[in-house]
Amino acid sequence: QVQLVESGGGVVQPGGSLRLSCEASGFTFNIYGMHWVRQAPGKGLEWVTFIRYDGGDKDYADSVKGRFTISRDNSKNTLYLQMNSLRVEDTAVYYCAKGKKIADKIYYVDVWGKGATVTVSS
Amino acid sequence: QTVVTQEPSFSVSPGGTVTLTCGLNSGSVSTGSYPGWYQQTPGQAPRTLIHSTNSRSSGVPDRFSGSILGNKAALTITGAQADDESDYYCVLYMGSGIWVFGGGTKLTVL
Repeated sequence: QVQLVESGGGVVQPGGSLRLSCEASGFTFNIYGMHWVRQAPGKGLEWVTFIRYDGGDKDYADSVKGRFTISRDNSKNTLYLQMNSLRVEDTAVYYCAKGKKIADKIYYVDVWGKGATVTVSS
Repeated sequence: QTVVTQEPSFSVSPGGTVTLTCGLNSGSVSTGSYPGWYQQTPGQAPRTLIHSTNSRSSGVPDRFSGSILGNKAALTITGAQADDESDYYCVLYMGSGIWVFGGGTKLTVL
C-alpha cells in the first residue's frame, strides 16, 4: 500500500534553513505529482507547494514563494522541500502527500504521510 | 485575498444527518473549483474523503457524500456515528496549480 515517510524536521532559528525529505513506497512514484501541506499548531491545513511527476511544473503558495523550493529524485522515490529564510510563522507539521490527477494539470491531494514537525524559534 | 469559509463548529446527534458547507468570501463555488473534503482527528494525519465535488476516495463509506448547494460546496454525513467526531476541512482549486483550504469545521457527535 502507499506509504509516505517524512524526515528532516527539527528546530531552527529564524532566518535559518532546513530540508525535508519524503520517501515514497507502494506506488510508481515517477508518474505521480506530489504536494506538501502544512499545519501550524492548533490551526488548519495550508497547501504549500506541488511538483509534477517529472519535476517540470512547480507551484507555490504566496506565503512561501521565493523561500521554499520543492524538488524530487525519481531514482530514489524521494520528494524534498528546501526551506530557506525561515520565519516563526513557518512553524508547523509538514505533510507530504501523493497527488492524483483529476483534470489537465490539476492534481488533488490524495494520500497523506504522517508529517514532520518544523519549529522555528530563537 | 481569497478566503475559503467553513462553519467553525457543528454538532449532530448519533444517527442524525449533518451538512457542512464550504464557500468563498467573494464569488461562488462550482464544480470547476474541484472541491475536496478531508477528515482529521487530533494527532493524526488528514484522511481524504471526497474529491472533485462528489467522488468518494477508496474505502470511504457512502454515509459521506459531496455536492454543490447553492453557491457552496457541501459535505453531508448521514447516520452520524461517534467516530465521525473530527475536524473537517474543505479545499478549493483556485487555478494555476494553487489550492486553498478552508479553516475547518469541528464536528461534535452528541
